[in-house]
Amino acid sequence: DGGITQSPKYLFRKEGQNVTLSCEQNLNHDAMYWYRQDPGQGLRLIYYSQIVNDFQKGDIAEGYSVSREKKESFPLTVTSAQKNPTAFYLCASSSPDGYTFGSGTRLTVV
Amino acid sequence: RKEVEQDPGPFNVPEGATVAFNCTYSNSASQSFFWYRQDCRKEPKLLMSVYSSGNEDGRFTAQLNRASQYISLLIRDSKLSDSATYLCVVNWGAKGKLIFGQGTTLQVKP
Repeated sequence: DGGITQSPKYLFRKEGQNVTLSCEQNLNHDAMYWYRQDPGQGLRLIYYSQIVNDFQKGDIAEGYSVSREKKESFPLTVTSAQKNPTAFYLCASSSPDGYTFGSGTRLTVV
Repeated sequence: RKEVEQDPGPFNVPEGATVAFNCTYSNSASQSFFWYRQDCRKEPKLLMSVYSSGNEDGRFTAQLNRASQYISLLIRDSKLSDSATYLCVVNWGAKGKLIFGQGTTLQVKP
């Protein structure tokens, strides 16, 4: 079955470390997105990519980086410059027919 | 003014009640509108798209008022399983960027 796979489901990061969240899709979607969700808040857009080898900053890109070397993959790196990284991270992809979300990665700074 | 704004609730209702959620959006050029449902600690899932003519899916009715820039979701005969957070989502122009409201929490009680 087609879908989006995010890994890991839970991730713990020490302060000062970079971590990379994986997002893979086999839906053949061109567009992919990364969102962040904090408790009691809606999703906020971090980065998005409309096509391979191209991506754009969203509303809260500071402290994050992405790459889009393959259509299927859109990894997100949370760098040490991100001051408050503890959150629920959601990857999504879209086609003209709609959007699909991965099951999310819950990142905690310890 | 927030781009997409919802009453966060919570809405506490008894089983069988009818409950309505409203959502306002600021960009008059917005093209597509959706209601997503999010269960605790899970990813959002599409509940229904919202069409200009209004649309119904079983106990759920969605309506769009472009002139006043709001959308609504009506749930009739509430079930315990309807307890969740309901996210109002607006497609932001040609780039397909989704803007999420902060969500409205519904708790249906026996």
